Amino acid sequence: NAGVTQTPKFQVLKTGQSMTLQCAQDMNHEYMSWYRQDPGMGLRLIHYSVGAGITDQGEVPNGYNVSRSTTEDFPLRLLSAAPSQTSVYFCASRGSGNQPQHFGDGTRLSIL
Amino acid sequence: DQQVKQNSPSLSVQEGRISILNCDYTNSMFDYFLWYKKYPAEGPTFLISISSIKDKNEDGRFTVFLNKSAKHLSLHIVPSQPGDSAVYFCAASARAGGTSYGKLTFGQGTILTVHP
Repeated sequence: NAGVTQTPKFQVLKTGQSMTLQCAQDMNHEYMSWYRQDPGMGLRLIHYSVGAGITDQGEVPNGYNVSRSTTEDFPLRLLSAAPSQTSVYFCASRGSGNQPQHFGDGTRLSIL
Repeated sequence: DQQVKQNSPSLSVQEGRISILNCDYTNSMFDYFLWYKKYPAEGPTFLISISSIKDKNEDGRFTVFLNKSAKHLSLHIVPSQPGDSAVYFCAASARAGGTSYGKLTFGQGTILTVHP
């Protein structure tokens, strides 16, 4: 009964390094998304996907890339990390219709 | 521009009393609203939702009220319990081109503390 699994849980990067945050779900959900949570700003949508091979930008997409080669996985890539990307990142998935999104436990990322 | 706002950063309530958390929105296209609860070091967990065709939805101790004319929703927790202490986020979504992609817009969150 894993649900949405995010790895790693914590990561420290140096400015300019690249990294991939992993997200996997075992509920056969079509819709997956990435959010970042910053103090006083709630969660903001970075990228989302409505199915394998289909992705689109959310509210704050700059500096991030995504791909969706399978239904289960939705990795988030930081190509050149910047201190402004220090945040807690949450991956979520949901089924069809107005079903609520299920969130992973987050990745806490610090960029020095 | 913050389309979903939770103007109270924190709320403190005595055990057994009612907790009322408020949320305002500005986008009239929003038609589905949710409340999530979040404990430290965990992801948000779904609590309760309401469609814009309703003005109230109840699930046990939790009731969500929607006032479309005021673009306001509230979450009532009765009776409040110490285990309810967490951050509560309201979120909203709008249909896009007839298909709901479910993109959520979140408020800033309200920290609820329930004292024994």
